Amino acid sequence: NAGVTQTPKFQVLKTGQSMTLQCAQDMNHNSMYWYRQDPGMGLRLIYYSASEGTTDKGEVPDGYNVSRLKKQNFLLGLESAAPSQTSVYFCASSYSQGAGHQPQHFGDGTRLSIL
Amino acid sequence: TQLLEQSPQFLSIQEGENLTVYCNSSSVFSSLQWYRQEPGEGPVLLVTVVTGGEVKKLKRLTFQFGDARKDSSLHITAAQPGDTGLYLCAGVPGGGNKLTFGTGTQLKVEL
Repeated sequence: NAGVTQTPKFQVLKTGQSMTLQCAQDMNHNSMYWYRQDPGMGLRLIYYSASEGTTDKGEVPDGYNVSRLKKQNFLLGLESAAPSQTSVYFCASSYSQGAGHQPQHFGDGTRLSIL
Repeated sequence: TQLLEQSPQFLSIQEGENLTVYCNSSSVFSSLQWYRQEPGEGPVLLVTVVTGGEVKKLKRLTFQFGDARKDSSLHITAAQPGDTGLYLCAGVPGGGNKLTFGTGTQLKVEL
């Protein structure tokens, strides 16, 4: 009964380092999303993937890259970490993208600090 | 500029009180969702409202979608400490295809 699993749960990086945040879902959902959550700003979409093999930019994509090579996995990469990328990152999935009726299922987040 | 503005941003009340959280926009939405997020966890969907003027009830929580589909409200009756959390509204703007989240309302219910 895993749902959406994110790894790692916590990470501390130095400015300039790179890393990949991993997300896996076992609900056979077509669409997956990466958000960042900062105080007072709700959730902001970084990238999304409507289906396996496709990705598209969201509201705040600069400094990130993504890959969706398998339907169940969506990876978020930080190319050269900056302090402004300190945030809590959430991965989510839904059966389809765009239909406002579809609920999104979220992981428990990755808390990332950039020093 | 946030497409969905929530108010209030913070709310601290005593157990048993009633409260209302608002989600407002100048844009029309095809539907609106409300999520609740507890510390250390991801948001969990509470309800989806689809039709202008629609009212949905979930135990002590009442959700309403504005007639013009530009706003929504969440009313909690007789709040309990278990209602504590971050409440987020979210919707897909008319003509768009991505879910947009509101700024969030942090609710704390004390004994």
